[in-house]
Amino acid sequence: EVQLVESGGGLVKPGGSLRLSCAASGFTFSSYSMHWVRQAPGKGLEWVSSISSSSTYIYDTDSVKGRFTISRDNAKNSLYLQMNSLRAEDTAVYSCARDKGGYCSGGRCFFDGFDIWGQGTMVTVSS
Amino acid sequence: DIQLTQSPSFLSASVGDRVTITCRASQGIYNYLAWYQQKPGTAPKLLIYAASTLQSGVPSRFSGSGSGTEFTLTISSLQPEDFATYYCQQLTLYPSLTFGGGTKVEI
Repeated sequence: EVQLVESGGGLVKPGGSLRLSCAASGFTFSSYSMHWVRQAPGKGLEWVSSISSSSTYIYDTDSVKGRFTISRDNAKNSLYLQMNSLRAEDTAVYSCARDKGGYCSGGRCFFDGFDIWGQGTMVTVSS
Repeated sequence: DIQLTQSPSFLSASVGDRVTITCRASQGIYNYLAWYQQKPGTAPKLLIYAASTLQSGVPSRFSGSGSGTEFTLTISSLQPEDFATYYCQQLTLYPSLTFGGGTKVEI
């Protein structure tokens, strides 16, 4: 079964750090670009970060640049999100997602859409 | 930044109705657009990619159209399981993979 399972969420104080993990199974993880998406309570979806299959290309939304770092370990079929300098506005459910089948060429990536999603892990930033 | 505006934000409909949701981009995005369905407490589900291509396993009552700046998601005959929130997403990476604000379809 194709599956993504997130872990690592929790309650953290403003300015603190967390590392989220996403364990992939049921597909060839190393062949796919991967993404992190978050959803604040009662709000819509917000794209956070993306990484190409071989980690060559990384993209982040402006609000997390310099604070969050996406990475992956293809040998462990795992995706990560290191979150530093956390703020109250980072409070959300964080989900990892697989790209359907985009590709990277000419210095950038072209994504198709997010076809497999995990159930998410809650991150709460509060004092 | 490319902004996506979905309309309407809320839609009240009945089983059997034809439903159309619009997504407008602040600048042209070719056909780099996807549509998702999300039910409360669950992960989003990809319905349409490349503006008009139906994702495998998605019922044919769902369809997508458009290119450039205006896109639509149509449900030809609304079913009970279709009551959910729908999001569009642009995939041009200029400078981000923006989602629209969502359209909640309710009875």
